[in-house]
Amino acid sequence: DAGVIQSPRHEVTEMGQEVTLRCKPISGHNSLFWYRQTMMRGLELLIYFNNNVPIDDSGMPEDRFSAKMPNASFSTLKIQPSEPRDSAVYFCASSLVGEGNQPQHFGDGTRLSIL
Amino acid sequence: KQEVTQIPAALSVPEGENLVLNCSFTDSAIYNLQWFRQDPGKGLTSLLLIQSSQREQTSGRLNASLDKSSGRSTLYIAASQPGDSATYLCAVRRPDNSKLTFGKGITLSVRP
Repeated sequence: DAGVIQSPRHEVTEMGQEVTLRCKPISGHNSLFWYRQTMMRGLELLIYFNNNVPIDDSGMPEDRFSAKMPNASFSTLKIQPSEPRDSAVYFCASSLVGEGNQPQHFGDGTRLSIL
Repeated sequence: KQEVTQIPAALSVPEGENLVLNCSFTDSAIYNLQWFRQDPGKGLTSLLLIQSSQREQTSGRLNASLDKSSGRSTLYIAASQPGDSATYLCAVRRPDNSKLTFGKGITLSVRP
């Protein structure tokens, strides 16, 4: 039973470069969440989708960040241009919302380092 | 704005001890509360989910309680083992959408 799959697991790049993080949610789940985790701020929700539609993007830091969900089995989080302060672990999670209380299932994250 | 606090940030106990991890939240209007476990370099694993109408949930050696009126939850771990060493996070969900607000977690170390 495959869980949430994220790629890459690690990304190191220089500031100014474009970064694309990828996520494949659990099949059958209708909601997808992008989080960022840092020591200082903990785990923060960036954006979440329900049935491929962005519902709440109030956590997206600024215009440099964008997220898409072209279909139910794939989502991307893009940072362009990247900055050193974007260094963090980015998690994707999915759940089945609307049919009782279903927990969110997390991927193993992408550790991003911007030099 | 909902705020979730977990104190202390770190805890070290000897193996076999029963322990309680605390979580507090500022807005009692929640839909549910979840406890997660995070191992180093890994994502979060859901341990227990308590509905707003429930008082507690149990799974094996874990028991989570919820007191909405006082804005508190506790995670009780019985007979702790070195394999319980991890970071434990609590998160609350708002009634109007799926958004979870997380605490910063408690890093637990169980010494053999």
